[in-house]
Amino acid sequence: GDSVTQMEGPVTLSEEAFLTINCTYTATGYPSLFWYVQYPGEGLQLLLKATKADDKGSNKGFEATYRKETTSFHLEKGSVQVSDSAVYFCALSDSNQAGTALIFGKGTTLSVSS
Amino acid sequence: EAGVAQSPRYKIIEKRQSVAFWCNPISGHATLYWYQQILGQGPKLLIQFQNNGVVDDSQLPKDRFSAERLKGVDSTLKIQPAKLEDSAVYLCASSLEQLTDTQYFGPGTRLTVL
Repeated sequence: GDSVTQMEGPVTLSEEAFLTINCTYTATGYPSLFWYVQYPGEGLQLLLKATKADDKGSNKGFEATYRKETTSFHLEKGSVQVSDSAVYFCALSDSNQAGTALIFGKGTTLSVSS
Repeated sequence: EAGVAQSPRYKIIEKRQSVAFWCNPISGHATLYWYQQILGQGPKLLIQFQNNGVVDDSQLPKDRFSAERLKGVDSTLKIQPAKLEDSAVYLCASSLEQLTDTQYFGPGTRLTVL
């Protein structure tokens, strides 16, 4: 079945460092890909998404490009801030399936220090 | 626009007891999802509704879990009887329609089974 694999955490960075969180997926159809973020004490929020190959999603300085050839959707940010400390989840939604529920990775905890 | 509302936020019960969770989706959202998020893992779909019909309940442990969405708006998720392994955060999400990618999540209900 469909699945998402993302890099293990925690990821610990200093402020203004470059961030990459790796995400790869397995899907039978043509999924949409997402990054969700969960800030401490808050619910899951959509960070960005891409719906087809070569699309780039971007938001709040974060970017991810849908790479069909490598089945990847890596999250990047050029300069992280302390306020970016959160848990990041990569997810997919496969429209070929009966439902359209999201399939999530296990999450990667990011901790940014000043 | 009001977000997805869930209650209670926290619940502690003994094993073999029953518990119910409530979700009120964003107004006008036809699709509603219940996810289970065990500590250290990504959310996993339990059930998906389209209006008041079930789209996907293949991962719902039907011997102990039940869910309903009688009027196509609010939904309740029940566990009876609870087991220790049911300790998790139960997340409700909604989207405008089934084929709309973006899901909006509520704050979740944290269940502890002792």
